[in-house]
Amino acid sequence: DVKVTQSSRYLVKRTGEKVFLECVQDMDHENMFWYRQDPGLGLRLIYFSYDVKMKEKGDIPEGYSVSREKKERFSLILESASTNQTSMYLCASSPRTERRSNYGYTFGSGTRLTVV
Amino acid sequence: DAKTTQPNSMESNEEEPVHLPCNHSTISGTDYIHWYRQLPSQGPEYVIHGLTSNVNNRMASLAIAEDRKSSTLILHRATLRDAAVYYCILRDPLDSNYQLIWGAGTKLIIKP
Repeated sequence: DVKVTQSSRYLVKRTGEKVFLECVQDMDHENMFWYRQDPGLGLRLIYFSYDVKMKEKGDIPEGYSVSREKKERFSLILESASTNQTSMYLCASSPRTERRSNYGYTFGSGTRLTVV
Repeated sequence: DAKTTQPNSMESNEEEPVHLPCNHSTISGTDYIHWYRQLPSQGPEYVIHGLTSNVNNRMASLAIAEDRKSSTLILHRATLRDAAVYYCILRDPLDSNYQLIWGAGTKLIIKP
């Protein structure tokens, strides 16, 4: 019954590595989101996408990029990982608001990334 | 999006009802009230949403004040599995900004 799948539950990467976090949803949702969650700071939006090949910056896009080549897949890329990117990363999806008058976000289980 | 205010934490006994309050005094006429919860080491999950009328589903009930400036999430019989952080969020479905604005939420502690 899992609807938003994040490729890894735990990751450990070295400083300077290029890191790919993958997210796949099977609900035919148009919108997809990447958040990071840190203690005391709550959920902060990194990037979102409202259509294939479309992307918008969220509140904290610096140091990240995204890719959405297919509707069901939204990838978060850390171009050169740094220790301050150690965090819990959460992917979410939702239907487009114009198509459904109200909607809920569906989240993945998260990827806990540690950069050493 | 309008802001919400929730208590930082609440405690309740197992198998008793829990009432989680949320204030949203600047709510607009088109804002829906959404509740999500986040269990430990999990992503947030949708709980319930409403506009004006009280709403019930299998997880919870949502009671909305007549002036819509506050709402209450009701867990009718809390279990240990309901221990989580509960978020109250306002969302205008006509808003082209797709973001949800997440506050700190209420940490619900269930005592056995």
